[in-house]
Amino acid sequence: NAGVTQTPKFQVLKTGQSMTLQCAQDMNHEYMSWYRQDPGMGLRLIHYSVGAGITDQGEVPNGYNVSRSTTEDFPLRLLSAAPSQTSVYFCASSYSGGGATRSQFFGPGTRLTVL
Amino acid sequence: TQLLEQSPQFLSIQEGENLTVYCNSSSVFSSLQWYRQEPGEGPVLLVTVVTGGEVKKLKRLTFQFGDARKDSSLHITAAQTGDTGLYLCAGARSGGSNYKLTFGKGTLLTVNP
Repeated sequence: NAGVTQTPKFQVLKTGQSMTLQCAQDMNHEYMSWYRQDPGMGLRLIHYSVGAGITDQGEVPNGYNVSRSTTEDFPLRLLSAAPSQTSVYFCASSYSGGGATRSQFFGPGTRLTVL
Repeated sequence: TQLLEQSPQFLSIQEGENLTVYCNSSSVFSSLQWYRQEPGEGPVLLVTVVTGGEVKKLKRLTFQFGDARKDSSLHITAAQTGDTGLYLCAGARSGGSNYKLTFGKGTLLTVNP
């Protein structure tokens, strides 16, 4: 199993450009989520999905869109990139069962710089 | 408002020393998870503690959940250079039909040879 994969590994954008960060998992996990990690801020939840066709907002959703058409894929779209979106983005997945003991598996991250 | 406070923020020690890092909150959590993150990688789950007062051991790492389920600690005995990394705690709280994780800012540990 490849686990959770993310592409690209690195990306540089200009302000106002749009792009999609790709995330895929091959573990048949129902639950997928996107986090951003900034220095001194920890990991903050952007959007999450509990299954195909179902998404919801996290703590910092503004400027980002998501969709979940398949169990495997959960892309994150930046509509109009801003310098404040410069960050490292992590995708994570887990089974929906297990409640509070659910174990999340993280991808290797995408390092995004917006100029 | 940061729900989970981790301390210290940075820790640099020599190989063989012992250390403890803390994760504190004023909120009660259903569970507390500890992750380790190495440079250029995503976080990797180390342990989940669920019951107040629970202690779990993972080789030289000892994790404890506070009796009131508001805080946790990670103790490393005889640290090794391979323990270097960012240690993150994450608390799970019920959010309707799902549990949401809230992460602390992390403790960056450097173990020097």
